[in-house]
Amino acid sequence: DQQVKQNSPSLSVQEGRISILNCDYTNSMFDYFLWYKKYPAEGPTFLISISSIKDKNEDGRFTVFLNKSAKHLSLHIVPSQPGDSAVYFCAALRTSYDKVIFGPGTSLSVIP
Amino acid sequence: SQTIHQWPATLVQPVGSPLSLECTVEGTSNPNLYWYRQAAGRGLQLLFYSVGIGQISSEVPQNLSASRPQDRQFILSSKKLLLSDSGFYLCAWSVLWSGANVLTFGAGSRLTVL
Repeated sequence: DQQVKQNSPSLSVQEGRISILNCDYTNSMFDYFLWYKKYPAEGPTFLISISSIKDKNEDGRFTVFLNKSAKHLSLHIVPSQPGDSAVYFCAALRTSYDKVIFGPGTSLSVIP
Repeated sequence: SQTIHQWPATLVQPVGSPLSLECTVEGTSNPNLYWYRQAAGRGLQLLFYSVGIGQISSEVPQNLSASRPQDRQFILSSKKLLLSDSGFYLCAWSVLWSGANVLTFGAGSRLTVL
């Protein structure tokens, strides 16, 4: 039973345009959500997080939106850059210091 | 600052051979430690996590095991590897950041079982 889903395995976007990566979850008890970025043969790196008490969190070019009623979150990257090409993992957890559940990832390609 | 070391970076092992992957964390005490695996074309699967010395929680029944002999050391082992054990193994530790449990990952260990 996959609790965190990323239904798009891949996404291609032109440089300078917006990239939107989507994530859905099934467990209504999740109250923190994180996005990680991973390059091949490297460990994932933390990008941005959002608490369930918020519906938006912004950090530079990255914005995460949370729709609790739909159990959906999305990561927006504006403007997209070639260096953003990587696999993006959505992750969720129930409480602080609880185990983190990852989605299967979306591979983003930003075309110059 | 905190750093996480993971080795070996690459490993090729025959089926039925033993495995030992090691992870150490510096610059913090009593971290939560995790082992994840990324199989080819798949997401990150949590294998084990530990909240303290000798305390191991297993998420997936399998022929792998984990141990935490010291506060900042986490070891992933197997007595007999299977072909299906091939994958990219990631060690991580967690820190609380703005209320969120943020994982910091090591560089990973690529295991190929032949």
